[in-house]
Amino acid sequence: DTAVSQTPKYLVTQMGNDKSIKCEQNLGHDTMYWYKQDSKKFLKIMFSYNNKELIINETVPNRFSPKSPDKAHLNLHINSLELGDSAVYFCASSYPTASGSNEQFFGPGTRLTVL
Amino acid sequence: AQSVTQLGSHVSVSEGALVLLRCNYSSSVPPYLFWYVQYPNQGLQLLLKYTSAATLVKGINGFEAEFKKSETSFHLTKPSAHMSDAAEYFCAVSDRSGGYQKVTFGTGTKLQVIP
Repeated sequence: DTAVSQTPKYLVTQMGNDKSIKCEQNLGHDTMYWYKQDSKKFLKIMFSYNNKELIINETVPNRFSPKSPDKAHLNLHINSLELGDSAVYFCASSYPTASGSNEQFFGPGTRLTVL
Repeated sequence: AQSVTQLGSHVSVSEGALVLLRCNYSSSVPPYLFWYVQYPNQGLQLLLKYTSAATLVKGINGFEAEFKKSETSFHLTKPSAHMSDAAEYFCAVSDRSGGYQKVTFGTGTKLQVIP
């Protein structure tokens, strides 16, 4: 009955590799997000999709490519991993509103370590 | 552009003492404000939110926050700290960006509860 799930929970890989993180939500939400949380706990939005359409694309290296096959799934593919990509990546989802007042529901996070 | 500032990256209180976590916001329009809590190795979960109704907002686990427009503040309080309150707390502001919700998080405050 998990609301927002992410796989894998931990990911350890070498520099230069390509990896993917998957996210699924069963809340019926239309909007999904990817956030990056660095070692100082700073949380920054990377991307947002609404009904499979990219709506927020922050200043993120183009090595990061999100994909939303349907509105319940949002995956993140990272090419040519670098040391600075080490962080915890959170997926979140919400209902869209006319006002922007809805809460976001977060997944448990994927801790990525690049060696 | 919207932003939030959380004063104090670390706050320590004794068990049973008042908890006060400070948050000031900047927004060009009436804001929607949130407090989220992150327990170790978990995702964020909503504590409470302000959406322009009552200025005193009650949340889960005995927390509440007061919206003060004149001070551009949304401080989080709890009358009596429990050991289980030890966590990272994030203040966030939301508005509409390009027609969709965009949330900006503060840098977080780590709450330590001393027995």
